Amino acid sequence: DGGITQSPKYLFRKEGQNVTLSCEQNLNHDAMYWYRQDPGQGLRLIYYSQIVNDFQKGDIAEGYSVSREKKESFPLTVTSAQKNPTAFYLCASSIARGGNYGYTFGSGTRLTVV
Amino acid sequence: AQSVSQHNHHVILSEAASLELGCNYSYGGTVNLFWYVQYPGQHLQLLLKYFSGDPLVKGIKGFEAEFIKSKFSFNLRKPSVQWSDTAEYFCAVNEGAVGKSTFGDGTTLTVKP
Repeated sequence: DGGITQSPKYLFRKEGQNVTLSCEQNLNHDAMYWYRQDPGQGLRLIYYSQIVNDFQKGDIAEGYSVSREKKESFPLTVTSAQKNPTAFYLCASSIARGGNYGYTFGSGTRLTVV
Repeated sequence: AQSVSQHNHHVILSEAASLELGCNYSYGGTVNLFWYVQYPGQHLQLLLKYFSGDPLVKGIKGFEAEFIKSKFSFNLRKPSVQWSDTAEYFCAVNEGAVGKSTFGDGTTLTVKP
């Protein structure tokens, strides 16, 4: 079945560590997105990529970095500069850069700083 | 910046009651509009979408939404809810041809059997 795979499902990070969240899709979608979800809040856009080797900052990019070396993969690194990284992270993809088709979402990664 | 407002954070209904969840957005140009649903323990999934044509859009599981451009609104409706509709619902908006979506804060719907 086609879809988006996020791993790991749960991740624990110590203060000062960088961690990388994986997002892989086999839908042949052009565009991929990373969102952060906090309790009682909607999804906030961290980074997005509409084509391989190109990506743009979203609304809350500080403390995060991404790469898009392959169409299928869009990993997110949460760096030690991110002040409050504990959250639920969602990866999504869409069929075209035009944005008319809506997103397919992964199951998410819950990151906790310990 | 674009903003999306969902009026109700938590709605509680009995089965067979009618549902309307409000969604308003701030962008004045061409928009694409979406409702997503997250059932307990499941992925977020697309419920319905509007990008042109008939402003009354029908989605899965008997849901529909109406785009009213003059009111910057895209409210979600269902004539008769079921216990299985218990979920969190998110409204989202894309500006024109830009692919990235701005989401509302979500509405948690609890349907009592």
